[in-house]
Amino acid sequence: DAGVTQSPTHLIKTRGQHVTLRCSPISGHKSVSWYQQVLGQGPQFIFQYYEKEERGRGNFPDRFSARQFPNYSSELNVNALLLGDSALYLCASSFQTDTYEQYFGPGTRLTVT
Amino acid sequence: GQQLNQSPQSMFIQEGEDVSMNCTSSSIFNTWLWYKQEPGEGPVLLIALYKAGELTSNGRLTAQFGITRKDSFLNISASIPSDVGIYFCAGQEMKYGQNFVFGPGTRLSVLP
Repeated sequence: DAGVTQSPTHLIKTRGQHVTLRCSPISGHKSVSWYQQVLGQGPQFIFQYYEKEERGRGNFPDRFSARQFPNYSSELNVNALLLGDSALYLCASSFQTDTYEQYFGPGTRLTVT
Repeated sequence: GQQLNQSPQSMFIQEGEDVSMNCTSSSIFNTWLWYKQEPGEGPVLLIALYKAGELTSNGRLTAQFGITRKDSFLNISASIPSDVGIYFCAGQEMKYGQNFVFGPGTRLSVLP
C-alpha cells in the first residue's frame, strides 16, 4: 500500500507570494495533520483535520490555512510568505483522531527568497 | 506551548554499542511517540507508548513511558550503521487533543 504522499517535493517562492501544498493520506486514514519543521528542529504542529473539519490548530498566524477534501486529501495554504516560512512541511495521517499512531509523508521543502 | 527536552543532543558511538537517550517535559503527557528521521525523509514511527510505566520493544529498540508521565526513554541495543539518523520524541498534551509536541531530536552517528 502507498504511504502518505506529498506534492510538490521542492518549491521556491518569493516573499509575499502564496503557496499551496498537497497531501494524500494512507488509504483508509481519515485524519491529516500538518507540521512545519525548520532546519535543525523537531516538527511543530500546525493543523489537524478529520472528516473535513479542523480538530486542532497550533500557534501559527492566520496566514496559514488548510482544508480537507471528501477523499481525505488535504491542502495547506500559506499567504504573504515570509523568509521565516522556509522549512520542510510535513503531512501525517492517522486512521482517526483517537488513534495516536500517525504516519508522515516525505515532506515538501519550501524555500522563500 | 509546552516544550520537550531531549538528551543527549548528539552522540557518536561504535557499531555494536548500546544507546540510551531520553526526553523530558515540564508537563504531563498521556502519550509518547518515538520517531526516527533520515535526511530528506519524513519521520518514521518507531514506538508508541500509552500508559505510565509501560515498557515496549520493537526489535532492538526499547522505550519506556516514565512513571511521572513527564519523561520517556529510548534504548537501542547492538547498534548498526543503519541506526544513523535523528531520533525525535513526541508527546501528546493532555489538554489539546491530537496535536503532538516534538522534542529537538537526538542525532545519532554510528562509527564502523
